Amino acid sequence: EAGVTQFPSHSVIEKGQTVTLRCDPISGHDNLYWYRRVMGKEIKFLLHFVKESKQDESGMPNNRFLAERTGGTYSTLKVQPAELEDSGVYFCASSQATDQPQHFGDGTRLSIL
Amino acid sequence: RKEVEQDPGPFNVPEGATVAFNCTYSNSASQSFFWYRQDCRKEPKLLMSVYSSGNEDGRFTAQLNRASQYISLLIRDSKLSDSATYLCVVNKGNTGKLIFGQGTTLQVKP
Repeated sequence: EAGVTQFPSHSVIEKGQTVTLRCDPISGHDNLYWYRRVMGKEIKFLLHFVKESKQDESGMPNNRFLAERTGGTYSTLKVQPAELEDSGVYFCASSQATDQPQHFGDGTRLSIL
Repeated sequence: RKEVEQDPGPFNVPEGATVAFNCTYSNSASQSFFWYRQDCRKEPKLLMSVYSSGNEDGRFTAQLNRASQYISLLIRDSKLSDSATYLCVVNKGNTGKLIFGQGTTLQVKP
């Protein structure tokens, strides 16, 4: 069984540019989550999809972040325009149900210059 | 105060030692609990779920005390390959919103 895959693994962009991260969850997992780890801090929740619907987006930092999951399969997280404080590692995870363990992708390491 | 607190360590132990990590959580609505392991620059990987009755998986034992809002992880007979950061994770209200501790770093030395 393929795990959660994320693309790209690394992205380096300049402040003010746009970046789109992609996540492919484990096949059959309706629940998809985005998390972020900023340097020196713990991993923090961003949002949660159930199929194509946003169940909880309470962790999204501001309106420069837009997440979508059209068709309930893969998800994208777009940052526009990127700011320096957006640098960090963005993890995607999926699970069959909300009370089940989540499986994480390798993450996207985002650097804003 | 953070919702999930862990001693960041590092814990430096010799091979074969027994080491215990502790974690406290502040939200009594928390429903399910996990220990994840994270190697340097890698993704978190599930180590084990934690149940009130306590559970064991080989050299690893996890305990949950709901009254004290306290979770522990015991590693027996430490191996060099156990060196990693151990993350205490709480599933708030079983909603799927995971709350992470900052992690405890373990370094097992020959």
